[in-house]
Amino acid sequence: DSGVTQTPKHLITATGQRVTLRCSPRSGDLSVYWYQQSLDQGLQFLIQYYNGEERAKGNILERFSAQQFPDLHSELNLSSLELGDSALYFCASSGGRSNQPQHFGDGTRLSIL
Amino acid sequence: AQKVTQAQTEISVVEKEDVTLDCVYETRDTTYYLFWYKQPPSGELVFLIRRNSFDEQNEISGRYSWNFQKSTSSFNFTITASQVVDSAVYFCALSEAEGGSEKLVFGKGTKLTVNP
Repeated sequence: DSGVTQTPKHLITATGQRVTLRCSPRSGDLSVYWYQQSLDQGLQFLIQYYNGEERAKGNILERFSAQQFPDLHSELNLSSLELGDSALYFCASSGGRSNQPQHFGDGTRLSIL
Repeated sequence: AQKVTQAQTEISVVEKEDVTLDCVYETRDTTYYLFWYKQPPSGELVFLIRRNSFDEQNEISGRYSWNFQKSTSSFNFTITASQVVDSAVYFCALSEAEGGSEKLVFGKGTKLTVNP
């Protein structure tokens, strides 16, 4: 158990819809990262928050947004969903330094029908 | 730009064989960190090891060992006496110390199948 909790585990929805993925980091970790894992793109960094502030953005679509709340949990919002958004979305947390490993949650598998 | 290459897409071995997973990286930073993660069939990502760019000592943990060579920009992972439970996808990843973000850049992964 990594200590990172992601909900829900599975999500099935239709094109055009909006979903919210939730992540609770490990106790004491200030940084939260979101990654997308798809067959064609592999594991790609989406966005990072550190103690409530956005720290870095990766290959995140404009239809996607995220935030980190005062209790440090984070949400990833995906809107106007397309078939190509079907993927496994991972949240990871760390203390916020490069030398600290990121610990990953079990992921949310999003299926767009 | 950062890049991680895992040239081996799939490897299949028989139990008790030794197997080495290759990882080659590219970075312009002098300070960086390398990681290996395991993704078993159940799907979660499990942290295995971290190495910083100033520490080229090889590391051994049980049946696992890692060989870091800056001269060839490689960070290879060897499993000795492989077991069926080692079957998983293994990812090598890079994080740079500069730039203000600790984002991980992953390789495409190597799928290891250990047959009984």
